[in-house]
Amino acid sequence: SQTIHQWPATLVQPVGSPLSLECTVEGTSNPNLYWYRQAAGRGLQLLFYSVGIGQISSEVPQNLSASRPQDRQFILSSKKLLLSDSGFYLCAWSTGGYEQYFGPGTRLTVT
Amino acid sequence: AQSVTQPDIHITVSEGASLELRCNYSYGATPYLFWYVQSPGQGLQLLLKYFSGDTLVQGIKGFEAEFKRSQSSFNLRKPSVHWSDAAEYFCAVGANNNDMRFGAGTRLTVKP
Repeated sequence: SQTIHQWPATLVQPVGSPLSLECTVEGTSNPNLYWYRQAAGRGLQLLFYSVGIGQISSEVPQNLSASRPQDRQFILSSKKLLLSDSGFYLCAWSTGGYEQYFGPGTRLTVT
Repeated sequence: AQSVTQPDIHITVSEGASLELRCNYSYGATPYLFWYVQSPGQGLQLLLKYFSGDTLVQGIKGFEAEFKRSQSSFNLRKPSVHWSDAAEYFCAVGANNNDMRFGAGTRLTVKP
């Protein structure tokens, strides 16, 4: 069966520091991968998605970036965090179907 | 582009009572519709989905949802709520695999 991992689970970082969040999927090949941010009371905002290694599409211009160095690995990064980057970050995967499956999330607090 | 509205931010029901969470969508063609549940501090779990066919779909944990094209709705129902159902519920509409839009969510509180 497929599983999706995210780490770290929680992270507290100062403003201006770099960020790296990692997501890995097991049990499937060539999945579509997604990064979402969830702000309190505002649902989910799609940040990036990837249909293959090295292929990244950005939905929202901001100081975040994403990379997909391996088929089942998706990384969310920032060179300099802003206070507004605080939130709950969710990674998701999908295959040929339309439903997406979510990881446990990372709670990021920028101080 | 498609959009989703969940009119109720917060709903409180008594344990054992029936539940209906509302979802309205906007999309020009036949949508792909989903309901997800999120427990505090956790990821989202897929409850059920509608792609085509029978407009009443059954999901996990005793949930069902009915697609009503004339009302652009996809309401989630459960005949008898359990305390463990307390969570946040998200409706989502997809036009293709990379363009899924989520509602703002409805937080469900279950009274003993």
